[in-house]
Amino acid sequence: QVQLVQSGAEVKKPGASVKISCKASGYTFTSYYIHWVRQAPGQGLEWMGIINPSGGSTSYAQKFQGRVTMTRDTSTSTVYMELSSLKSEDTAVYYCARKSIAVWDYWGQGTLVTVSS
Amino acid sequence: DIQMTQSPSSLSASVGDRVTITCRASQGINNYLAWFQQKPGKAPKSLIYAASSLQSGVPSKFSGSGSGTDFTLTISSLQPEDFATYYCQQYNSYPITFGQGTRLEIK
Repeated sequence: QVQLVQSGAEVKKPGASVKISCKASGYTFTSYYIHWVRQAPGQGLEWMGIINPSGGSTSYAQKFQGRVTMTRDTSTSTVYMELSSLKSEDTAVYYCARKSIAVWDYWGQGTLVTVSS
Repeated sequence: DIQMTQSPSSLSASVGDRVTITCRASQGINNYLAWFQQKPGKAPKSLIYAASSLQSGVPSKFSGSGSGTDFTLTISSLQPEDFATYYCQQYNSYPITFGQGTRLEIK
C-alpha cells in the first residue's frame, strides 16, 4: 500500500536549519510529484513548494524562496525539505503529499518543527 | 497570488443536517478547485477535485459544484465523523493557495 512516512519532530533554535524527510513506498517513486505544505498551530494550510522526483525539478512559493530547498534520493525513494534561517514563525507541522494527476491522494503523517530559543 | 475566501469560518450543525460551505477565488481558476477535510492532529484528506469530482473512496454525501470563481461543498446527512475543518484549495496556478478553513461543529 502507498505510504509516505516522515521523519520525527524537531526542536531548533532561531537561525538554524531543519531538514525533514518523506519516505515513499508502495508505488513507483519517480511517477508522482510531491508537495510540501505546512500548518502553524491553530492555523490553516500553507503551500511551500513541489518537487518532481523523476528529474528533481522544483517550484517554490515566493515566500520561501532562498530559504527552502527540496531534494530527492531516488535510491531510497525519499524526498527532503530543508528550511533555513528558522524563525519562531516557522513553528508548524510540515506535511508532504503525493500528487496524482489532480488529486493530492496520500499524505505523510506530519512533522512538528518547533523553533525556540 | 490567488486569494481563496471561505464562508462561513465556522458552522454549527446537527447530525442529519445538510450543510453548504462556500469558497470564492479572487480570479477565475478554471475549475482547478479541491476540497479537503482535516480532523484534529491528522493530515488533511482529499474529498473533491476539479470542483465536482469525488475522490475515490469518499462517500457520495460529499458533493462539489461551481465554476469560475465561486464554488461550494455540500455535505448531506451529517454524521458525527463529518465534524471537522474543511479547506478549499486552488491549483490553477502557483503558488497553490488554500482558503482559511471552515470549522464544522456539532450543535
